[in-house]
Amino acid sequence: QGQLVESGGGVVQPGRSLRLSCAASGVTFSKNGMHWVRQAPGKGLEWVAAIWYDGSKKYYADSVKGRFTISRDNSKNTLYLQMNSLRAEDTAVYYCASPIDLTYYFDYWGQGTLVTVSS
Amino acid sequence: DIQMTQSPSSVSASVGDRVTITCRASQGISSWLAWYQQKPGEAPKLLIHSASSLQSGVPSRFSGSGSGTEFILNISSLQPEDFATYYCQQVNSFPRGTFGQGTKVDIK
Repeated sequence: QGQLVESGGGVVQPGRSLRLSCAASGVTFSKNGMHWVRQAPGKGLEWVAAIWYDGSKKYYADSVKGRFTISRDNSKNTLYLQMNSLRAEDTAVYYCASPIDLTYYFDYWGQGTLVTVSS
Repeated sequence: DIQMTQSPSSVSASVGDRVTITCRASQGISSWLAWYQQKPGEAPKLLIHSASSLQSGVPSRFSGSGSGTEFILNISSLQPEDFATYYCQQVNSFPRGTFGQGTKVDIK
């Protein structure tokens, strides 16, 4: 059974940067597109970014475009989210998710990592 | 951008009740819709994909229907483990998949 495990969350000051990681195991990571989804405290789910299986295409929500960068290292089975110019409104649990056995639907999710942007 | 609107925002129900949650899309999305269940402190779990296809391992009391702009999630007989928040998600504009705002199902 496949597993996604996020790491890298923490408390960071506004304007600073943070990099999240998502390590995949038990799945053919290099064949699957990967996504980041976030959830602010007490709020709903927000799709953040996506990357093609080979890294050739990347997509971002308007709320993070120009500040966040999604990337992947297929040799390490790891997905990344580089977050720059962080704002208080970026405070959320960040999940990596992927359509592994399905084509478009997120059937695999990590447990999430909390990012708190505060001075 | 496609907007997804769920109703109600919350519903109080008892074990054994039938619960119906509606999700409306701001434009037609065919059957490109998923339903997720999320319990506090946990990641979302896929229940239904393609509007009406039950994900493997999900109990048959869950069912989905609809196409175009209106979709329904039904729980035929609510069980204690079903108290959670439910989200719809459109993937018509994949990879950008908009979620609804969520519907919390709590104990009456």
